[in-house]
Amino acid sequence: KAGVTQTPRYLIKTRGQQVTLSCSPISGHRSVSWYQQTPGQGLQFLFEYFSETQRNKGNFPGRFSGRQFSNSRSEMNVSTLELGDSALYLCASSSDRGLAKNIQYFGAGTRLSVL
Amino acid sequence: TQLLEQSPQFLSIQEGENLTVYCNSSSVFSSLQWYRQEPGEGPVLLVTVVTGGEVKKLKRLTFQFGDARKDSSLHITAAQPGDTGLYLCAGAHAGGTSYGKLTFGQGTILTVHP
Repeated sequence: KAGVTQTPRYLIKTRGQQVTLSCSPISGHRSVSWYQQTPGQGLQFLFEYFSETQRNKGNFPGRFSGRQFSNSRSEMNVSTLELGDSALYLCASSSDRGLAKNIQYFGAGTRLSVL
Repeated sequence: TQLLEQSPQFLSIQEGENLTVYCNSSSVFSSLQWYRQEPGEGPVLLVTVVTGGEVKKLKRLTFQFGDARKDSSLHITAAQPGDTGLYLCAGAHAGGTSYGKLTFGQGTILTVHP
């Protein structure tokens, strides 16, 4: 079974631009969560999508948004990029069944650098 | 605020030594996961513990979930250079506003010298 796939692996943008990151979950997983990882703050939860609906959201500004498609693939978008948005963005998928819904499997991440 | 305090932050040891990493919280978790992350990669799941007092072993790694499900530990016996990496604990709370959200500790950077 293929794992979680994130594209692209690396991105370089300048301040003020916007960016879209993509995530394909493990086959059969309908929940997709996004995290931002920085050296200072560690892993912080951005949002979670299930069946094309955002079910949960972390404490990030509205510049961070996402969506999920009917095939469970998900995208996140960051508009008006700031230097502080430079980070590793991680996508994780999980099953929606019983205790397995708490077990998240991560992709390799997208490294975003904002210049 | 649901916090997970992980310690130590850094651990530098010689091959063959034993070590323990701790995760503590004032919150009760429905489950707790341990991940290992290599530079430039995503976290890789090592184990999930769900029952208070549960102990799981994965070769030289022993994971324990506290009786009250608020804390956990990872013990590595006879560490090897291949164990080097960032170790993360992550707690999950039951449903509702916790859908899809893991609360992560700050991580422990382990370096094992040959």
